[in-house]
Amino acid sequence: GQQVMQIPQYQHVQEGEDFTTYCNSSTTLSNIQWYKQRPGGHPVFLIQLVKSGEVKKQKRLTFQFGEAKKNSSLHITATQTTDVGTYFCAGPGDSNYQLIWGAGTKLIIKP
Amino acid sequence: ETGVTQTPRHLVMGMTNKKSLKCEQHLGHNAMYWYKQSAKKPLELMFVYNFKEQTENNSVPSRFSPECPNSSHLFLHLHTLQPEDSALYLCASSHTPTPLGGYEQYFGPGTRLTVT
Repeated sequence: GQQVMQIPQYQHVQEGEDFTTYCNSSTTLSNIQWYKQRPGGHPVFLIQLVKSGEVKKQKRLTFQFGEAKKNSSLHITATQTTDVGTYFCAGPGDSNYQLIWGAGTKLIIKP
Repeated sequence: ETGVTQTPRHLVMGMTNKKSLKCEQHLGHNAMYWYKQSAKKPLELMFVYNFKEQTENNSVPSRFSPECPNSSHLFLHLHTLQPEDSALYLCASSHTPTPLGGYEQYFGPGTRLTVT
């Protein structure tokens, strides 16, 4: 079945270092969404990418959608403690209502 | 954020109990979703309703029974659950997705369910 693979599962960084998470789909995606879940919280929508090769920025966050629309990445520059949480990508499934979720990448700031 | 509310926030139930989870959205959306979130697993879509009609049932065991009386309310009725059903149950809502793409989903805080 359709899958969205997300790596790495965890990333430990020092505060101020950069962070990147990658998503790869087994099929071409019409769009991809990114969400953030803080510890003990619920997923919160960050952004949706639709166009091939699209790059969008939100302050220190940069989102990219691959040319083939099968992969995407989220890059955070100069991480801060407020960035801690798990970042998920999600792509449409077989129906309009389905989102196929990646397993998430947990961002951990080293003490 | 109070757009999507869920009650209760925590629930401990025995395998023979019957309980219900409630979700309410105040965002004017027409689509509502139940997800199961277990540790170290991707979010699992359980059910989807659009305009009160069920559009998705992802092979969920019959011990989970959804109910959607209107576009603002969604219930998940639980009975004779198993310990492996312990998880965070998340409700979400969105505008009705289109063939061109979906809309962002807004999640409630979840119900942390423990089955003993």
